[in-house]
Amino acid sequence: AQSVTQLDSQVPVFEEAPVELRCNYSSSVSVYLFWYVQYPNQGLQLLLKYLSGSTLVKGINGFEAEFNKSQTSFHLRKPSVHISDTAEYFCAVSLPGYSTLTFGKGTMLLVSP
Amino acid sequence: GAGVSQSPSNKVTEKGKDVELRCDPISGHTALYWYRQSLGQGLEFLIYFQGNSAPDKSGLPSDRFSAERTGGSVSTLTIQRTQQEDSAVYLCASRRETRNTEAFFGQGTRLTVV
Repeated sequence: AQSVTQLDSQVPVFEEAPVELRCNYSSSVSVYLFWYVQYPNQGLQLLLKYLSGSTLVKGINGFEAEFNKSQTSFHLRKPSVHISDTAEYFCAVSLPGYSTLTFGKGTMLLVSP
Repeated sequence: GAGVSQSPSNKVTEKGKDVELRCDPISGHTALYWYRQSLGQGLEFLIYFQGNSAPDKSGLPSDRFSAERTGGSVSTLTIQRTQQEDSAVYLCASRRETRNTEAFFGQGTRLTVV
């Protein structure tokens, strides 16, 4: 079975600084990877997804992620964060032919002025 | 509908009572998921429906939890004899088809067992 590890439960950062949120997965087969964001008191929405092809994936709100098969990672990055990026970010994995989305425990991004 | 709708948005119940949580998926979405979100625990998978059948119910934590889906649309998650540890936000998501398409989430039902 697949699993997802988000190494940081909280990441504090100052506005306009770069940020990286880490995600590692374990699977013996190819996977599909997703990042979701949950703003305070809201539901989850998709930021970006990796299915195949280019390992650098661009998403909404200036976020991007890079799939690294050898390191089984899918880290999320943004070169300059805004206060409005304060939210919880979830990494998720899904196996081809298997439909359950498995989520990590989430990383709370705290952006301060 | 325009999005995944869950009701009620908040539910407070007494320990030992049964509760029903409802999910209306996006029209035409064949896959439906229930997750539980607790503080510090992330999203815990409960059950997955494809149409009206549940190929994967491995995440249901005990036999007090059950779910059904009718007409390939609305789903109900039932918790019998609620316990305080059942307090959490219950999230529903739907997907147009399985595997590689985006899952759309509802706002969730916050369940508090007192």
